Amino acid sequence: NAGVTQTPKFQVLKTGQSMTLQCAQDMNHEYMSWYRQDPGMGLRLIHYSVGAGITDQGEVPNGYNVSRSTTEDFPLRLLSAAPSQTSVYFCASSYGHMNTEAFFGQGTRLTVV
Amino acid sequence: DQQVKQNSPSLSVQEGRISILNCDYTNSMFDYFLWYKKYPAEGPTFLISISSIKDKNEDGRFTVFLNKSAKHLSLHIVPSQPGDSAVYFCAATTVQGGSEKLVFGKGTKLTVNP
Repeated sequence: NAGVTQTPKFQVLKTGQSMTLQCAQDMNHEYMSWYRQDPGMGLRLIHYSVGAGITDQGEVPNGYNVSRSTTEDFPLRLLSAAPSQTSVYFCASSYGHMNTEAFFGQGTRLTVV
Repeated sequence: DQQVKQNSPSLSVQEGRISILNCDYTNSMFDYFLWYKKYPAEGPTFLISISSIKDKNEDGRFTVFLNKSAKHLSLHIVPSQPGDSAVYFCAATTVQGGSEKLVFGKGTKLTVNP
């Protein structure tokens, strides 16, 4: 059983480039979210979705776009990458609200040079 | 301003003894608290949660205690096992202005020595 799958696992971008981090879940969860983790920091919520067609901003949304066209997929777009976006990105899904158990992907390590 | 604080970056305990991981928070609107465990190069995994209307929740070797008046919670692991060695994150949730808010602490690295 796949759970939450993130691709790619590693990525190096040049400043100003754009890319999409992919996230897919096969548990039919309504809630999906994106986090970033920086060294010595906890996870910070970027964007989240409570169902197909519905997204909302988290704590650090600037520089990132999301959309949720299906229950399964929740891609994160960086429109113009900046070195400050160098981080490890985690996607998560949960059956209900954020106060319920979330299942995380293995992460994408992004470096912007 | 850090709303969820884990003031101990690391903790080392002997196998079989109790591990106590602490977490303090500042936002009295938080209504649920969760603990996640993270191994290197993996995503976090859920451990246990507690509602703000309770003061204790237990699941096997893991117990979470909540002291609302002190805005403090702790995770107890008894007995500790080498496989428990990981980074533990405390997290808190609330709803503000119709949006959900989830805030993580910086984590405590637990090392259980055989």
